[in-house]
Amino acid sequence: NAGVTQTPKFQVLKTGQSMTLQCAQDMNHNSMYWYRQDPGMGLRLIYYSASEGTTDKGEVPNGYNVSRLNKREFSLRLESAAPSQTSVYFCASSPLGTDNYGYTFGSGTRLTVV
Amino acid sequence: AQSVAQPEDQVNVAEGNPLTVKCTYSVSGNPYLFWYVQYPNRGLQFLLKYITGDNLVKGSYGFEAEFNKSQTSFHLKKPSALVSDSALYFCAVRVWAAGNKLTFGGGTRVLVKP
Repeated sequence: NAGVTQTPKFQVLKTGQSMTLQCAQDMNHNSMYWYRQDPGMGLRLIYYSASEGTTDKGEVPNGYNVSRLNKREFSLRLESAAPSQTSVYFCASSPLGTDNYGYTFGSGTRLTVV
Repeated sequence: AQSVAQPEDQVNVAEGNPLTVKCTYSVSGNPYLFWYVQYPNRGLQFLLKYITGDNLVKGSYGFEAEFNKSQTSFHLKKPSALVSDSALYFCAVRVWAAGNKLTFGGGTRVLVKP
């Protein structure tokens, strides 16, 4: 029972490089989310997908794009990485409607942009 | 817009003493409230939630939280803290009318000393 799987776990990028963070869930959840975690700022929502085929901006979407590839997978892309995007990125998923546990989180991707 | 405040960056407590982590929220509508815990280099784990009903909710690992509508608070409590409770704690709020998005507080680091 893997839950939410994120890859990679660690990444170092140079300014201007691009990369895609991958996320997959095996719980048949409808909704998926990307958050970034920065010290003292908690988790801030980047993008979310309420259901397969839909994506919406969150609180801090600039510099990111997302793709909801299918019900299981939700990727986050940085087209031209900037030092301000150094952060820990978390993917999460949840069922629609009444849910007992809120979100299920992945273990995170620690990204450093130099 | 919904928001969550955790006024303490860090809480220090001696093992065996009561632990309280404070959380206040601001929403339009009825809130769904959550507490999550994050251990080092891990994703967030669900502790407990308030949806409706009894204002005192019990969750995992002996934690409980009290919903106070008049004070718009949802403080996390544990009667007797353990060293293993040392972690980062996040309060989160969701308003059903706003979809399934969670808004997180900035987090409170708990340090339980032996």
